[in-house]
Amino acid sequence: AQKVTQAQTEISVVEKEDVTLDCVYETRDTTYYLFWYKQPPSGELVFLIRRNSFDEQNEISGRYSWNFQKSTSSFNFTITASQVVDSAVYFCALSGGGYQKVTFGTGTKLQVIP
Amino acid sequence: DAGVIQSPRHEVTEMGQEVTLRCKPISGHNSLFWYRQTMMRGLELLIYFNNNVPIDDSGMPEDRFSAKMPNASFSTLKIQPSEPRDSAVYFCASSFETDTQYFGPGTRLTVL
Repeated sequence: AQKVTQAQTEISVVEKEDVTLDCVYETRDTTYYLFWYKQPPSGELVFLIRRNSFDEQNEISGRYSWNFQKSTSSFNFTITASQVVDSAVYFCALSGGGYQKVTFGTGTKLQVIP
Repeated sequence: DAGVIQSPRHEVTEMGQEVTLRCKPISGHNSLFWYRQTMMRGLELLIYFNNNVPIDDSGMPEDRFSAKMPNASFSTLKIQPSEPRDSAVYFCASSFETDTQYFGPGTRLTVL
């Protein structure tokens, strides 16, 4: 069975602070994919990143960066110099190789205070 | 490029009425997913189609729910009869095979 744990339910930071959203996963698959999605207050789900289990290189996209560590089964997401527009619920998700259901975490609500 | 299109965006109906939600996947995608999101249960996969064929409907709550995909560019999720506990946001997502799923804007359903 697959499981995604986002232990942080809500986080509040002041604008320009850095913030890290934690994601821990469980799977027995050797090939799997990890995702992050953003759900802003408007409600849509926006895809941010997809990583496969064979690629542990960290990724940076502008103010966003992701740290994938298989040794600790974690796929953490850091926002540098947070902005009010980053306020949203962020979901970490996991799927196995081939077709398997995408298992979503319960989400972390990030509030960036001006 | 157009993303996943869902209609209606909001639906308010009375208990017992039939509700039909519609989805147009991204052109070229051959996998389509229906999800339901509630505060209590989070995001739940209801059904998955591949090449218009239902592959996994184990998440469909009960016989009141049905989904169809008559062609590669259209799918419906029907609830008949609707109940207040069906109130949720329903998302449609599409992908090419098992690649990344892209979500539509969702339909907010309220059953009174």
